[in-house]
Amino acid sequence: GENVEQHPSTLSVQEGDSAVIKCTYSDSASNYFPWYKQELGKRPQLIIDIRSNVGEKKDQRIAVTLNKTAKHFSLHITETQPEDSAVYFCAASKMGYSTLTFGKGTMLLVSP
Amino acid sequence: KAGVTQTPRYLIKTRGQQVTLSCSPISGHRSVSWYQQTPGQGLQFLFEYFSETQRNKGNFPGRFSGRQFSNSRSEMNVSTLELGDSALYLCASGLQGYQEKLFFGSGTQLSVL
Repeated sequence: GENVEQHPSTLSVQEGDSAVIKCTYSDSASNYFPWYKQELGKRPQLIIDIRSNVGEKKDQRIAVTLNKTAKHFSLHITETQPEDSAVYFCAASKMGYSTLTFGKGTMLLVSP
Repeated sequence: KAGVTQTPRYLIKTRGQQVTLSCSPISGHRSVSWYQQTPGQGLQFLFEYFSETQRNKGNFPGRFSGRQFSNSRSEMNVSTLELGDSALYLCASGLQGYQEKLFFGSGTQLSVL
C-alpha cells in the first residue's frame, strides 16, 4: 500500500521566516495531495491541496510544489506568524480511492 | 451550516469492553471516513462509507467495524477493547469522499484502562 514519509518532525522558526515541510510517497498511482493543519486540541483543517496535473499551487502565504518524478511534494509557508504554529500533515490518495494516507506530521513552532 | 459532530467527546473503558462512537456529517455530505489518531502513528485510515456502503477499509483488525445509516450518520464500533486502542478517533465528511476537501469532527478521545 501507499506509504507517506514526512520531514522534519519538528520545525522551529522565528516570526517572519519561511518554513518548508517535505513529504515523499511510494505509490506512483497517487495523484491527489492535500495538506491539513491541526492546532492544539482542534480538528484537522485542509489548508491547500494539489493534483498531479499541476506542479505548483499558491494561496497567499502558502504554496505547495509537486515533483511526480521524484515522488515528493512540499509545503512552503512564507512570512510565518505565531498563529501558524500547529501540526501539519501531508497526505496522498489515488484515483478511485477514498483512502487518505497521512504522513506522521510536522510540529511547526513560530516564535515571536 | 452545522459542522461535523462526534459524540461522545470522551470515553473511558476497560479492557475487554466494547464501545460505539457516533458521527453526524455536514448536511448533504454522503461520505464519512474514520481515522485513528495516536501520537506515535499519526492519522491512520479505518474505513469509509458512502450511501450506507463501505467503500474502503484500512489495515485494522476485525474488532473495528462501522456502519452508515440512510441519513448519512455513521457509527463505528470497537469490540474487545485493548490498551492499544486508546486514541483520538476522528471522522470526516465529504460530498463524494474522493480527492476533495474533507471536514473533520472534533473527535472522540477513547481511553482504555
